[in-house]
Amino acid sequence: DVKVTQSSRYLVKRTGEKVFLECVQDMDHENMFWYRQDPGLGLRLIYFSYDVKMKEKGDIPEGYSVSREKKERFSLILESASTNQTSMYLCASSPGQRGANQPQHFGDGTRLSIL
Amino acid sequence: KNQVEQSPQSLIILEGKNCTLQCNYTVSPFSNLRWYKQDTGRGPVSLTIMTFSENTKSNGRYTATLDADTKQSSLHITASQLSDSASYICVVRDSGGGADGLTFGKGTHLIIQP
Repeated sequence: DVKVTQSSRYLVKRTGEKVFLECVQDMDHENMFWYRQDPGLGLRLIYFSYDVKMKEKGDIPEGYSVSREKKERFSLILESASTNQTSMYLCASSPGQRGANQPQHFGDGTRLSIL
Repeated sequence: KNQVEQSPQSLIILEGKNCTLQCNYTVSPFSNLRWYKQDTGRGPVSLTIMTFSENTKSNGRYTATLDADTKQSSLHITASQLSDSASYICVVRDSGGGADGLTFGKGTHLIIQP
């Protein structure tokens, strides 16, 4: 079974801090994603990576950056955390184009609170 | 703009009853449609993926239907159990490019009461 592991289930940080969220997948998937999930808004894509060192902006990239130095690891960085970034953050992975009809596999999320 | 609309927003039914969740989409060109189940405090888990040529697909007590002409899908849950309490998310993939080609619905929150 594919496993996507997010480093923290709960995280509390202060405004202005630099925050790192880590995600690791164990199935050699090419694609990795970061979403945030807010009540009433559903999942919104922050960034997407289709290969090592490659990234694409999603719908709401402002205030975030990402890093993918190794295939299995995808990091989300909040450069200077703000209270409006309090949210549930979900990481996902999926096979590349050859797996276009394959589902995404999600981690269990990091609930981030910015005080 | 691609859109996925789910209804109802929330639903409460008694254990043992059946229910149907709806998903309407305007995604084009269509590639596939996915249903995910998300338990509280957990990440979404795939229930089914349907391509253009598939009308019906079952996964245990879950049956998804797809009408590509009317751009509608439904998820039918038979003989509901308490463990079915969750949010159900409809996701449609397009084949026309974009960052990942996925458009998410906002989900239906289902509560099963004993």
